[in-house]
Amino acid sequence: KAGVTQTPRYLIKTRGQQVTLSCSPISGHRSVSWYQQTPGQGLQFLFEYFSETQRNKGNFPGRFSGRQFSNSRSEMNVSTLELGDSALYLCASSTGLAQGGTGELFFGEGSRLTVL
Amino acid sequence: DAKTTQPNSMESNEEEPVHLPCNHSTISGTDYIHWYRQLPSQGPEYVIHGLTSNVNNRMASLAIAEDRKSSTLILHRATLRDAAVYYCILRHLSGGYQKVTFGIGTKLQVIP
Repeated sequence: KAGVTQTPRYLIKTRGQQVTLSCSPISGHRSVSWYQQTPGQGLQFLFEYFSETQRNKGNFPGRFSGRQFSNSRSEMNVSTLELGDSALYLCASSTGLAQGGTGELFFGEGSRLTVL
Repeated sequence: DAKTTQPNSMESNEEEPVHLPCNHSTISGTDYIHWYRQLPSQGPEYVIHGLTSNVNNRMASLAIAEDRKSSTLILHRATLRDAAVYYCILRHLSGGYQKVTFGIGTKLQVIP
């Protein structure tokens, strides 16, 4: 069973540019959630998509957006990049079904973004 | 949202048991306690979860306090491969949707 695939693994951008990151979940999983990981803040929740709908959103500015396609693949976009956006962006997939919080999250290896 | 508190770092000798604590004093009755770990240069991976009773699996054991305000992840014999950041998180239903809040994690160093 293939795992969660994130592309690209590494990228470098300059301030003011925008970036799009992609996440392919495990086959059959309908939920994709995104996280930003920085040394000082740890893992912070960005948003979660389930069946093409955003179900929940963390406390990030509107520059951070996402979407999910009918095949459950998800993309996140960051516009007008700032230096502070440099981070490891992780996505996780799960069945997304309301199982009383028991569902396991499967993470990808992340996309490391550097903003110069 | 209910939050978790963990020590920033811990050390353990190889082949000795490790007890990783987590405080979640504002846990609600429908919150499950999950543990994940993140090995260097990898995404987090699931370790174990529980609701009220202690749980065991091939990787670890989870001991949950009777009042559920704290829990402890137990690695019975630490190996060098267990050196990682361990996250204690609560998974709950919020407004009908699942929402995950991660703690800062505990960096476990295993000493040979």
